[in-house]
Amino acid sequence: AQTVTQSQPEMSVQEAETVTLSCTYDTSENNYYLFWYKQPPSRQMILVIRQEAYKQQNATENRFSVNFQKAAKSFSLKISDSQLGDTAMYFCAFMKRGGSNYKLTFGKGTLLTVNP
Amino acid sequence: NAGVTQTPKFQVLKTGQSMTLQCAQDMNHEYMSWYRQDPGMGLRLIHYSVGAGITDQGEVPNGYNVSRSTTEDFPLRLLSAAPSQTSVYFCASSRAASQPQHFGDGTRLSIL
Repeated sequence: AQTVTQSQPEMSVQEAETVTLSCTYDTSENNYYLFWYKQPPSRQMILVIRQEAYKQQNATENRFSVNFQKAAKSFSLKISDSQLGDTAMYFCAFMKRGGSNYKLTFGKGTLLTVNP
Repeated sequence: NAGVTQTPKFQVLKTGQSMTLQCAQDMNHEYMSWYRQDPGMGLRLIHYSVGAGITDQGEVPNGYNVSRSTTEDFPLRLLSAAPSQTSVYFCASSRAASQPQHFGDGTRLSIL
């Protein structure tokens, strides 16, 4: 079974600064997907970024980028130029690619607070 | 543009009661899933479906039943509610299992 670990329960950052959220995972699979989801106080779950394990290039989406280290099984999220609207719970998630087991496994989350 | 619709948004039940949480999507997505979110636990997969007529268990399936008679609907049934099932429940759908999931707004369920 896959496990996803987010070692930082809470983090804070000043507006306009950069922050990195950590995520590690444990799997014996070689092909898989990794995701970061954001959950603001409204409780909606919003996809931030997606990475396919077979792609070496790190995914980016505007101010959000990842540092994907496959050998280390690490998938950190970097938020640049932090904004007040980035305040949310962030979840890292893993899904195996292919086969018949389509289970998305989430970490426990990191609560990020952006301070003015 | 409804996306994923969950009803009800809030519900209070007594121990032993049964109920169905509704989930509907209008995006013709094949993959649908149910999660529960508890404090400090993240989201945990209850059941999922890769298409009409096909369902499978997730990480925490006990006490819940699902069916998928149509592509659009994926109801979650609590057979005999227990206080341990107090949680926020999310339904999600995606075009395929590996694609990013669209989430509903959640149902907050309290069992007394």
